[in-house]
Amino acid sequence: AQSVTQLDSQVPVFEEAPVELRCNYSSSVSVYLFWYVQYPNQGLQLLLKYLSGSTLVKGINGFEAEFNKSQTSFHLRKPSVHISDTAEYFCAVSEVKAAGNKLTFGGGTRVLVKP
Amino acid sequence: KAGVTQTPRYLIKTRGQQVTLSCSPISGHRSVSWYQQTPGQGLQFLFEYFSETQRNKGNFPGRFSGRQFSNSRSEMNVSTLELGDSALYLCASSLVQGISNEQFFGPGTRLTVL
Repeated sequence: AQSVTQLDSQVPVFEEAPVELRCNYSSSVSVYLFWYVQYPNQGLQLLLKYLSGSTLVKGINGFEAEFNKSQTSFHLRKPSVHISDTAEYFCAVSEVKAAGNKLTFGGGTRVLVKP
Repeated sequence: KAGVTQTPRYLIKTRGQQVTLSCSPISGHRSVSWYQQTPGQGLQFLFEYFSETQRNKGNFPGRFSGRQFSNSRSEMNVSTLELGDSALYLCASSLVQGISNEQFFGPGTRLTVL
């Protein structure tokens, strides 16, 4: 079984400042890693994913994340946030060798971008 | 290309009733997964269907069930509703089975149980 911990439930940040959202996972098997964003009253949108290869992953809207296997972390960063980045962000994992699609999500981090 | 659609978007039911939610995946997608989102428990996997067969199931009671039709549309049913079933139910579809394929989420159905 896997588990995902997002260390911050809420992160306030000023517009144009950098932001980092922390994600740690626990798993006895290899996993794929994902970050999703959820805007109010909407479903989830994939920001980026790590399947294999380079540990630095670039996603949409200027976001990037770094996979650190030794620390079992997959932190999300953006160098300069916009008001429109106000949303809830979810880190998720899935077992590499599992059949089918099953995502295990963290508890989410609410980002509030202030002008 | 149309995205994942879920109907209805909002639903109010009373305890003891049953409810059926519908999900239409993106055209050509054959895998449909369902998730429950609540403030207390967060996002939890319910089940996944691929080619009309349930391939994965989460840790939910038997009151939660689903099915998939030959056109890949999926329904989930909750019988004997409880107050704790109030949640946003999200459906996600992907092109083929396998997690490396991106899952596209619908806007969800918000179920309120009174």
